[in-house]
Amino acid sequence: KAGVTQTPRYLIKTRGQQVTLSCSPISGHRSVSWYQQTPGQGLQFLFEYFSETQRNKGNFPGRFSGRQFSNSRSEMNVSTLELGDSALYLCASSLPLSTDTQYFGPGTRLTVL
Amino acid sequence: DQQVKQNSPSLSVQEGRISILNCDYTNSMFDYFLWYKKYPAEGPTFLISISSIKDKNEDGRFTVFLNKSAKHLSLHIVPSQPGDSAVYFCAASPSRETSGSRLTFGEGTQLTVNP
Repeated sequence: KAGVTQTPRYLIKTRGQQVTLSCSPISGHRSVSWYQQTPGQGLQFLFEYFSETQRNKGNFPGRFSGRQFSNSRSEMNVSTLELGDSALYLCASSLPLSTDTQYFGPGTRLTVL
Repeated sequence: DQQVKQNSPSLSVQEGRISILNCDYTNSMFDYFLWYKKYPAEGPTFLISISSIKDKNEDGRFTVFLNKSAKHLSLHIVPSQPGDSAVYFCAASPSRETSGSRLTFGEGTQLTVNP
């Protein structure tokens, strides 16, 4: 079974631009969560989608948004990029139950100049 | 407010010796704890977990210990192997639910096992 895939793997943007990241979950997984990883901060939860609906949201500004498609693929968008948005963005998928183990993708490394 | 803290950003041990990674938490509502391992250019992978009703859980070379009164858990790797070199994240949840919103992660500890 293919793992979680994320595209692109690396991205360089400038302040004020917007960016869209993509995540394809493991086949059969319907829950997708997004995390931001920055040095010294661990993984911070952004949001979770299930059946095309946002199920939970972390404590991030409205510039961070996401969506999920009918095939469970998910995208996250960051508008009006700031230098502090430079981070590794990780996507994780799991089966529907909230007790199921999450499987992470390799991440998208976003650099904002 | 960092509710889950891994105070050692890095740890270096010799191959064959024991690696001990530590994690402290402040939220007494946390009831379920997990360790993830992350290699460069890969996402974190689940390693081992423990429920608060236990004080120890073992899986091969990996053992997690939980001290609820001290709000402290540790991951022991015995014997350590060079392939164990990775970043280890501690995570906590108020229940067995491990969906994204329920997990609080620590900052990670870089383990280096020297041959």
